[in-house]
Amino acid sequence: GENVEQHPSTLSVQEGDSAVIKCTYSDSASNYFPWYKQELGKRPQLIIDIRSNVGEKKDQRIAVTLNKTAKHFSLHITETQPEDSAVYFCAARMNSGYSTLTFGKGTMLLVSP
Amino acid sequence: DTAVSQTPKYLVTQMGNDKSIKCEQNLGHDTMYWYKQDSKKFLKIMFSYNNKELIINETVPNRFSPKSPDKAHLNLHINSLELGDSAVYFCASRQRGSYNEQFFGPGTRLTVL
Repeated sequence: GENVEQHPSTLSVQEGDSAVIKCTYSDSASNYFPWYKQELGKRPQLIIDIRSNVGEKKDQRIAVTLNKTAKHFSLHITETQPEDSAVYFCAARMNSGYSTLTFGKGTMLLVSP
Repeated sequence: DTAVSQTPKYLVTQMGNDKSIKCEQNLGHDTMYWYKQDSKKFLKIMFSYNNKELIINETVPNRFSPKSPDKAHLNLHINSLELGDSAVYFCASRQRGSYNEQFFGPGTRLTVL
């Protein structure tokens, strides 16, 4: 089955800095890669996703890149703000059959003012 | 207006008791899930249902019995609760098909004393 590795497990940055979280996946059949943000005590919520036929996607201060050959994808947050502090999860899934999301173990991002 | 809802939000109980968590989605999705999130924040899938039928049971002890009376509801019953069952349980749903977003419920924090 799919295995998703996520690094780092914790990341501390100063407000205004950039933050990068990296994930690798094992199953070359995976073709959908969402990122979820989970604030303390809240539910995970989708912030951005990328499909395997796209190398990069951007939405305001967040961007995701995908390297299919190397089987890794990354989340980039620019101009970080204290409200970006949360746990971020990457995930991978095949879009066939009844396949499910396989999540990474999460990255706790702390943005200090 | 909540898309995926769960009750109760908090559940505190003694070891050996039996408890249930309810989940409902009003998004018209055909696929629903239960996840367990432990203290280390890892999101582990437990069950997947499609149109009321069990699709995936990820080696969950048979003390856990999901029930789907219709495709909008997926309930989780837990017998003989153990200390290790303490966690946050998230329900989620999506429409099966390419690249469809998965939505999470607000979570139920279960504490077994």
